[in-house]
Amino acid sequence: SQTIHQWPATLVQPVGSPLSLECTVEGTSNPNLYWYRQAAGRGLQLLFYSVGIGQISSEVPQNLSASRPQDRQFILSSKKLLLSDSGFYLCAWSKRGWGAGVSLDTQYFGPGTRLTVL
Amino acid sequence: AQKVTQAQTEISVVEKEDVTLDCVYETRDTTYYLFWYKQPPSGELVFLIRRNSFDEQNEISGRYSWNFQKSTSSFNFTITASQVVDSAVYFCALSEGTSGTYKYIFGTGTRLKVLA
Repeated sequence: SQTIHQWPATLVQPVGSPLSLECTVEGTSNPNLYWYRQAAGRGLQLLFYSVGIGQISSEVPQNLSASRPQDRQFILSSKKLLLSDSGFYLCAWSKRGWGAGVSLDTQYFGPGTRLTVL
Repeated sequence: AQKVTQAQTEISVVEKEDVTLDCVYETRDTTYYLFWYKQPPSGELVFLIRRNSFDEQNEISGRYSWNFQKSTSSFNFTITASQVVDSAVYFCALSEGTSGTYKYIFGTGTRLKVLA
């Protein structure tokens, strides 16, 4: 069976510090990977998605970046955190669909990382 | 534009009551998928159901049931005989097919509180 891991679970960082959140998937290959952010009491906003190693697409301009160095590893980074980067970050995976990375299949979410920027 | 509306921000019910969570969507595509997820206090989103646009059959899974009506662009979720463990935020999401997108459009969620 497939499992998705995220770490750390909780993080408190000062403004201006760097960030690295990691997401790994087990039990599947060539997944589509996604990073979402959920601000307190709000819905989910898609930040990045990836259909393969080194292939990253950004959904919204922001202070964050993403990388996919390995097939089942997805990393969310920032060089300098802002207060507005605080939130709950969720990683998700789905099976690769047909065509150019189209995936209609269900997204499965990790446990999330709660980031507080002070 | 694609959009998912969950007009109920928060609902409180007493245990054993039935409760329906509403979801209304907008899309121009004829092929799309609809989803419901549960987010308990721990934060992880738990997949509940996936429905494609060509299957309007209602579905029942234990105490959960879903009513999909294309005529009203709604995909409502009913919990029968609610329990305290059902307390969570529930999200409805839309994923489109033919436009080549692969991303979900989430609603803003409905917080359900089931009181003992």
